[in-house]
Amino acid sequence: EPEVTQTPSHQVTQMGQEVILRCVPISNHLYFYWYRQILGQKVEFLVSFYNNEISEKSEIFDDQFSVERPDGSNFTLKIRSTKLEDSAMYFCASSARTGDGDQYFGPGTRLLVL
Amino acid sequence: AQRVTQPEKLLSVFKGAPVELKCNYSYSGSPELFWYVQYSRQRLQLLLRHISRESIKGFTADLNKGETSFHLKKPFAQEEDSAMYYCALRRTGFQKLVFGTGTRLLVSP
Repeated sequence: EPEVTQTPSHQVTQMGQEVILRCVPISNHLYFYWYRQILGQKVEFLVSFYNNEISEKSEIFDDQFSVERPDGSNFTLKIRSTKLEDSAMYFCASSARTGDGDQYFGPGTRLLVL
Repeated sequence: AQRVTQPEKLLSVFKGAPVELKCNYSYSGSPELFWYVQYSRQRLQLLLRHISRESIKGFTADLNKGETSFHLKKPFAQEEDSAMYYCALRRTGFQKLVFGTGTRLLVSP
């Protein structure tokens, strides 16, 4: 069964550095998402992406964040100038043709900002 | 704004006992409700969606609009049901999922 994959599984970075989290969505899916979960808190929506555009974003997704689909398979989340409070588990998800389809989640990237 | 509340952080039951994981939501429109499950060291997986009115792994959930609830139930818990369970809401026509804080279900032998 096809799955969403994410790399790296863990990333440690220094405050102020840029990080890029990578995701490979399920191949025939057209909608892509990023969520995050700060330790001990709920899973929070960051952004959704369709047809090379952001289709929905939360108030968390400010200018520090950007998303890109640089090629036909990868979907990336870039965090510029990381802050301590960016430490979290970041989940990528994808869904099929329609925007209201089931979202399939990746295993997550644990980001630790020191 | 939409909100999902899961009042129990931990629910501990014995094998064979009935289970009910509570989920309440606040949303003025017509929501779509979901239950996601995360087994130890695995990814979030969709367990149930209210529109399907299905039973998966013996679990069912009914949307009660009057009580704004979507509780997850299973008549006889199994040890393999031990996991983190998240209730989530989505506004019809939108993509964003709003999650509750999750309930850890622990089923003991």
